[in-house]
Amino acid sequence: GIQVEQSPPDLILQEGANSTLRCNFSDSVNNLQWFHQNPWGQLINLFYIPSGTKQNGRLSATTVATERYSLLYISSSQTTDSGVYFCAVSGNTGGFKTIFGAGTRLFVKA
Amino acid sequence: DGGITQSPKYLFRKEGQNVTLSCEQNLNHDAMYWYRQDPGQGLRLIYYSQIVNDFQKGDIAEGYSVSREKKESFPLTVTSAQKNPTAFYLCASTGQYSYNEQFFGPGTRLTVL
Repeated sequence: GIQVEQSPPDLILQEGANSTLRCNFSDSVNNLQWFHQNPWGQLINLFYIPSGTKQNGRLSATTVATERYSLLYISSSQTTDSGVYFCAVSGNTGGFKTIFGAGTRLFVKA
Repeated sequence: DGGITQSPKYLFRKEGQNVTLSCEQNLNHDAMYWYRQDPGQGLRLIYYSQIVNDFQKGDIAEGYSVSREKKESFPLTVTSAQKNPTAFYLCASTGQYSYNEQFFGPGTRLTVL
């Protein structure tokens, strides 16, 4: 099945700094999503981005499907950005099965 | 408001007891999923269902059972056969195609004493 790798596993930032999170996947996908898991465990949808580039406020994401990676950019980070960021994919041959990466744990210091 | 509800938020059970976690959605989604998350870990797929009266095992189905009698509901039973049931359980749903966006409920934290 598809393998999903996220990097870095942990990230500590000073408030106001920028960061890039990466998601590599091992096979072609028909769906790629980025989620933020808040301290209460809720998974919040950030981007649905099987290809191309999207922006939402201080966050943006780019997926290069032909090279099998996606990037999540966080600019001017805030303490509320802390939490875990997950990348999740479903493949062209895996049907409805969704594979999650292990996540990037972000802590933003005030 | 459309969304996914899970109940209860916290659940405590004695070892050896079966317990059923509720998941309901009013998004008119066809597919529903159950995931397990252990502390500091990612999400692992337990079961998923593409349509009513049909479901497939995920990566860690042993010790769990599900039913899908209604489109809106996908309850998960954690049986006494599950060796390590204490975890955070998340339910999700998507539209009728595998490439549709997936949405999550707030989760249930199960602790087995």
